[in-house]
Amino acid sequence: QVQLVESGGGVVQPGGSLRLSCATSGFTFSRYGFHWVRQAPGKGLESLAFIFYDRDNQKYADSVKGRFTISRDNSKNTLYLQMNSLRPEDTALYYCARDVKYSADYWGQGTLVTVSS
Amino acid sequence: DVVMTQSPLSLPVTLGQPASISCRSSQSLVHNDGNTYLNWFQQRPGQSPRRLIYEVSNRDSGVPDRFSGSGSGTDFTLRISRVEAEDVGVYYCMQGTHWPWTFGQGTKVEIK
Repeated sequence: QVQLVESGGGVVQPGGSLRLSCATSGFTFSRYGFHWVRQAPGKGLESLAFIFYDRDNQKYADSVKGRFTISRDNSKNTLYLQMNSLRPEDTALYYCARDVKYSADYWGQGTLVTVSS
Repeated sequence: DVVMTQSPLSLPVTLGQPASISCRSSQSLVHNDGNTYLNWFQQRPGQSPRRLIYEVSNRDSGVPDRFSGSGSGTDFTLRISRVEAEDVGVYYCMQGTHWPWTFGQGTKVEIK
């Protein structure tokens, strides 16, 4: 069955960096694009970044552009999110999700990032 | 960015009764390819979002047929014909037509 499992979250100081991973299984990873979406505590959902199946094309929300980088390793069936210059407002549960025709059909369980001194 | 506005934000419902959630977008969600990429997600307490409806009215596999979606352009609705206890959670509309994707604020469905 399709599975997406995020990892890499934790507590980091403002200005710090973190790299999230999303390990996938149960489907052909290289055929799909992927998203990172976050949810601040008690808040709604915010789309952050998207990477096309061919990896050369990415899109970012303005809130993370220039600070976050989405990437993928098709040999490892894994998606990544490199997060730099972290701010307290980046504190959230970070989800990876599989793209299918302008939608997301499968989501991981999320990994929690806390930015605090 | 496209603003998605849901109403109501809180929806107390009696078991077995219908429920309806409205979602309006600040601009048309009709894509250049002619399709409308409006989705509905359910998020049960402590769980990840689960897609219920895609492209306005298509139900995902395994989603009970008491859930239905409708609408066009900028005005969309999710209906639950008879609410069951397992339907408790927060429901989000999401547009995938324009980047970045944007979500509604969420509608919390609870049992009276």
